Amino acid sequence: DTGVSQDPRHKITKRGQNVTFRCDPISEHNRLYWYRQTLGQGPEFLTYFQNEAQLEKSRLLSDRFSAERPKGSFSTLEIQRTEQGDSAMYLCASSLGWAAGYTFGSGTRLTVV
Amino acid sequence: QQQVKQSPQSLIVQKGGISIINCAYENTAFDYFPWYQQFPGKGPALLIAIRPDVSEKKEGRFTISFNKSAKQFSLHIMDSQPGDSATYFCAASMKGSGSRLTFGEGTQLTVNP
Repeated sequence: DTGVSQDPRHKITKRGQNVTFRCDPISEHNRLYWYRQTLGQGPEFLTYFQNEAQLEKSRLLSDRFSAERPKGSFSTLEIQRTEQGDSAMYLCASSLGWAAGYTFGSGTRLTVV
Repeated sequence: QQQVKQSPQSLIVQKGGISIINCAYENTAFDYFPWYQQFPGKGPALLIAIRPDVSEKKEGRFTISFNKSAKQFSLHIMDSQPGDSATYFCAASMKGSGSRLTFGEGTQLTVNP
């Protein structure tokens, strides 16, 4: 097991296009989180899953954003009709249970031009 | 509403010195306080964490000091090394929140050789 992997590492897209990111968590971890980080800021919570159930969504997650975790394994985060304000690093993390520390992936850097 | 405030924004320390980063929180329901280290192009990595039933936790060169009455906690890095140069984030979460983390704004630490 090599940790949490995210794909792609970098994505440049034109405003208005749709993008999808993938996260593969540590296999035995039941919780999966998505965060967004802009330059010079700490990560901000977007949403999390326990197994396949999406249990919480931040108000930051507009209706253009959707996340899935089919079968409780990998997860996808889709952004529709991208805007320049969506440019950020999108981080995925996983953990085993609520009390455990997270393991973050290296993130997907999105640039909307 | 920023619930975790971190200072300083940047810190320069000489090799062998002590680096001290401080955080203050507002929400008394927080019960888990981790510190993360982030290198450029990487996701945050868990360094050390503490719960409010103890006032100090030490792991190697890293120590968390926790003051529940003041709602403050700090990270001390002893014998700082150039390899410690990174951005450090404090964070907090509360039981029942699904381990959702609220991060501070980060401190960029530079350790000069």
